[in-house]
Amino acid sequence: DSGVTQTPKHLITATGQRVTLRCSPRSGDLSVYWYQQSLDQGLQFLIQYYNGEERAKGNILERFSAQQFPDLHSELNLSSLELGDSALYFCASSPGPFNTEAFFGQGTRLTVV
Amino acid sequence: DQQVKQNSPSLSVQEGRISILNCDYTNSMFDYFLWYKKYPAEGPTFLISISSIKDKNEDGRFTVFLNKSAKHLSLHIVPSQPGDSAVYFCAASTRATGAGSYQLTFGKGTKLSVIP
Repeated sequence: DSGVTQTPKHLITATGQRVTLRCSPRSGDLSVYWYQQSLDQGLQFLIQYYNGEERAKGNILERFSAQQFPDLHSELNLSSLELGDSALYFCASSPGPFNTEAFFGQGTRLTVV
Repeated sequence: DQQVKQNSPSLSVQEGRISILNCDYTNSMFDYFLWYKKYPAEGPTFLISISSIKDKNEDGRFTVFLNKSAKHLSLHIVPSQPGDSAVYFCAASTRATGAGSYQLTFGKGTKLSVIP
């Protein structure tokens, strides 16, 4: 158990809909990272938050947004969903702003039908 | 453009033998490299890392070798055990200036099967 909790584990939704994925980092970790893993792809970095502030942005679509709350949990919002958004979404956390050894949650499997 | 490449999607090895997983990178700014292991239905788990100032790092049965001139790293598992069967991801990061963020860039993974 990495200590990073992601909910829900599975999510099935229709195209055009909006969903919210939630992540609770390990106790004491201030950084949260979101990654997307599509079929046959490596993990693609989406976005990082550190202590409530956006720290770095990767290949995140404009339809996607995230935030980190004062209690340090984070949410990834995906809107106007398309079939191609079906993927595993992982959250990771690390103590500081640099995720040299980030700890990953179990992921949320999103299926868009 | 893939900056971190794992060209072997899968690898089968006999129990007790050596497993060698390879990874190539193109970005010469990468200076920290990691290997993650992933079991089905679980998130990736950190395994071992190496800084660009070293060419070898060892942790028990796991050794990572870095060849900077070739932009190549490899993970050696000796001896291989059935429990090592998993997908192994190579990742790299760069010490960015300014805001400073170690964004991990991952390869697509190599599925290792250790046969009893």
